[in-house]
Amino acid sequence: DQQVKQNSPSLSVQEGRISILNCDYTNSMFDYFLWYKKYPAEGPTFLISISSIKDKNEDGRFTVFLNKSAKHLSLHIVPSQPGDSAVYFCAARYFTQGGSEKLVFGKGMKLTVNP
Amino acid sequence: GAGVSQSPRYKVTKRGQDVALRCDPISGHVSLYWYRQALGQGPEFLTYFNYEAQQDKSGLPNDRFSAERPEGSISTLTIQRTEQRDSAMYRCASSPSENSPLHFGNGTRLTVT
Repeated sequence: DQQVKQNSPSLSVQEGRISILNCDYTNSMFDYFLWYKKYPAEGPTFLISISSIKDKNEDGRFTVFLNKSAKHLSLHIVPSQPGDSAVYFCAARYFTQGGSEKLVFGKGMKLTVNP
Repeated sequence: GAGVSQSPRYKVTKRGQDVALRCDPISGHVSLYWYRQALGQGPEFLTYFNYEAQQDKSGLPNDRFSAERPEGSISTLTIQRTEQRDSAMYRCASSPSENSPLHFGNGTRLTVT
């Protein structure tokens, strides 16, 4: 049972245009959401995050939107650049009854930005 | 200095052998996590340390898997009597505290033949 879903395996956009990466989740206990970016042969690197008490967080070209009622978040990249081509993972955090922090990752989505 | 370091980068072993995967977290990071990532999937939680204490090992698939972090720094993930289904990318991550984003290593690609 996937708690964090990235339903589109890939996205291709033109340089300069907007990239929109979507993520849906099912667990209401998630309180914090993160996006990681992964280049080939490297580990995922943290990109941007948002607390569940907010609906938007912006950092330069990257903006994450959270719609709690729809259990949906999205990452917007504008303008997209060829260097943004990577696999993007959506992740969500919750705490177990024992107080242990857990991160649940989606399957990832491959973004290709064409020059 | 550098990021999270994992070794070996690649490990090929025969079924039934034991393997030990090493993680050297970023200096000063108190939290250390082990994840397993299958092809086409996101990382899946295995176990978590806060300093030297293993706080959560609920993600370890069975008792062939164990991990330790005896001095609160370097960690070793050990898989005994490896099976082909253990083949995956094993990723270590660390963070300065529980509420900080994770810093991932480049992983160890384990292949069990």
